[in-house]
Amino acid sequence: EAQVTQNPRYLITVTGKKLTVTCSQNMNHEYMSWYRQDPGLGLRQIYYSMNVEVTDKGDVPEGYKVSRKEKRNFPLILESPSPNQTSLYFCASSLGESPGKTGSRTREQYFGPGTRLTVT
Amino acid sequence: AQKVTQAQTEISVVEKEDVTLDCVYETRDTTYYLFWYKQPPSGELVFLIRRNSFDEQNEISGRYSWNFQKSTSSFNFTITASQVVDSAVYFCALSEGNQGGKLIFGQGTELSVKP
Repeated sequence: EAQVTQNPRYLITVTGKKLTVTCSQNMNHEYMSWYRQDPGLGLRQIYYSMNVEVTDKGDVPEGYKVSRKEKRNFPLILESPSPNQTSLYFCASSLGESPGKTGSRTREQYFGPGTRLTVT
Repeated sequence: AQKVTQAQTEISVVEKEDVTLDCVYETRDTTYYLFWYKQPPSGELVFLIRRNSFDEQNEISGRYSWNFQKSTSSFNFTITASQVVDSAVYFCALSEGNQGGKLIFGQGTELSVKP
């Protein structure tokens, strides 16, 4: 089954304790991304990756790190979590860009089930 | 600047009613993509549809239909004969041609379908 998986699904942690949220997709997608969802602020992009070893900041990258060593995995790392990083996190993937192709099935991002993180 | 506005925060209907969710977008790009996602109470985000800026054809999929109008920068979503299972938060999103695939989401419309 084609899917994006995230682990853990729920996590309660304390300020300053490093954590990693894993994300894996089995669709051979080039593009992967992390979003956070907060009440009143909606969904905002944290980081994205166009392909292996290519990552870039989204709109709210502060306090986060990512890596893309393999095509299927895109972990989100919080080196020193703080309470303002309490949020619902989504990983997403898509085929990526197809320059010059109109109507191609790119761009739609498929989301993982979400990780609810609480930092106390 | 790019922006997606979903002016309806909450909508409540009775089962079998038709309902339209509004989405207005802003972009300076001539190439862009529009999406609708559904977030049911279980929390996951489910992809519903993608439209390209160069394709203004409306689309129908079962009880769902989408009306894309570039003249008014709108991409509205209609559910015909709504059902309780349609209760969810619906997000409209925009991806611009030169933004590396980033989705810009609207604030979402919470649809409640009562039996």
